Parts: sequence; C-alpha cells; structure tokens
Amino acid sequence: EIVMTQTPLSLSVTPGQPASISCKSSQSLLHSDGRTYLYWFLHKPGQSPQLLIYEVSSRFFGVSDRFSGSGSGTDFTLKISRVETEDVGIYYCMQAIDLPLTFGGGTKVEIK
Amino acid sequence: EVQLLDSGGGLVQPGGSLRLSCAASGFIFPNYAMSWVRQAPGKGLEWVSGLSGSGGSTYYADSVKGRFTISRDNSKNTLYLQMNSLRAEDTALYYCAKSPVAEGFAVDYWGQGTLVTVSS
Repeated sequence: EIVMTQTPLSLSVTPGQPASISCKSSQSLLHSDGRTYLYWFLHKPGQSPQLLIYEVSSRFFGVSDRFSGSGSGTDFTLKISRVETEDVGIYYCMQAIDLPLTFGGGTKVEIK
Repeated sequence: EVQLLDSGGGLVQPGGSLRLSCAASGFIFPNYAMSWVRQAPGKGLEWVSGLSGSGGSTYYADSVKGRFTISRDNSKNTLYLQMNSLRAEDTALYYCAKSPVAEGFAVDYWGQGTLVTVSS
C-alpha cells in the first residue's frame, strides 16, 4: 500500500500568520489519466472530516481562498495564508490513486 | 445539500456482529461509489471498504477482509457495512464517505460517524 507521511506532527500558529504542512507519498500519485490523486482534509474537534483540496490544488466548494495546495509526483504542500481560530483541528492528506486509500498521520494545528 | 447519516453502532462482545447503515440524501446515490472509513480512539483515519455505484465491485482493507461485507440498496439510498467476528481492534468511529465519481474511491463528503465498541 502507498504510505503517506505528513510533517510536522503539530503546529502552533499565531492568528494571521501563515502555516504550511508537507505530505510525501511512497509512490507517485500521478495517474495515467493525467490527474494527481492527492486530497487534503480538515478534521475539526467534534465534527466529521471536511474536504479542503482535491487533486493537489483545487479548492472544494465553499473553502476559503486562504487555503492552497501545491506539489507533484510524491511531494505535496498545504498552505494556509493567514491562520484563523476556526482553522484549528487535524489536517490529513490522502491518496486516491490506488486502494486501499491511505491517509497521512495527521498534523494538529492549534492557535497560540 | 449532501447528507450522510450513519447509524447502527454500539457495544458488542468480541466475536459478535453489527450492521452499520448510512442513509444518503441530496445527490443521485447510484451515481457514486461509497466507502467506510474508521478512526480508532487516538488514531488516524483508516479506509475500511469501498463499493462502486452499481454495487458490482467491492473492495476491502486486509484488516477486515473475510469478516466485513459492504453493500448498498440504491432503491433506499442506503449504504451498509455488515461486521462479523468483531475484534477489540475494530473499536472505532465509523464514517461513511461519498466518492465524487461512480467507480473511483476518493472522498468528498463524510457522514457524522457511528461509534463501534468491541469489548467484553
């Protein structure tokens, strides 16, 4: 199975400051159809996970433009341009190029 | 609005069985693959099983293969997970998850989760 490795494990960010999370996959997530199947989710306390970014860099419906995704092949990054208090939670990357779907271990973001 | 309502969780003894349900609304249910994803206490997310939109193709994680069965009733817009021979390590919050396509298994929407506790 494809192993997803996220860093850092946790981030403590001052409101208004940027944040960045890295995700590396053990195999390329570029499919023969030309798409790269890398997703980012935010799991807020007491809620279900919510999709932020699909296929590396496309923001899902209603997601703030403070969130952006980038990367290719096996190396990916989620950036929050200006962290707000509502952004606290655990961020997960996920690959969907092959089954089983696999997730990174998560990055916990908290506010300073 | 897409809604996924998970139910059926509870406390069960090791070796027991449980059937989870996920009632879907707000989208054309047969047009999308569905999955079950779980989160054990204090752990990350683990994909458990997936089913194509037609129900013709099923997939399982090695950890549950032979014990769990995924199915769907497209006339009732409902996804199921039959869990047999349950083990302590199956204790988790189980989410149903919708794919954005019929045959692939990404995730765009999640249910609220239903808690399964396997303990004597």
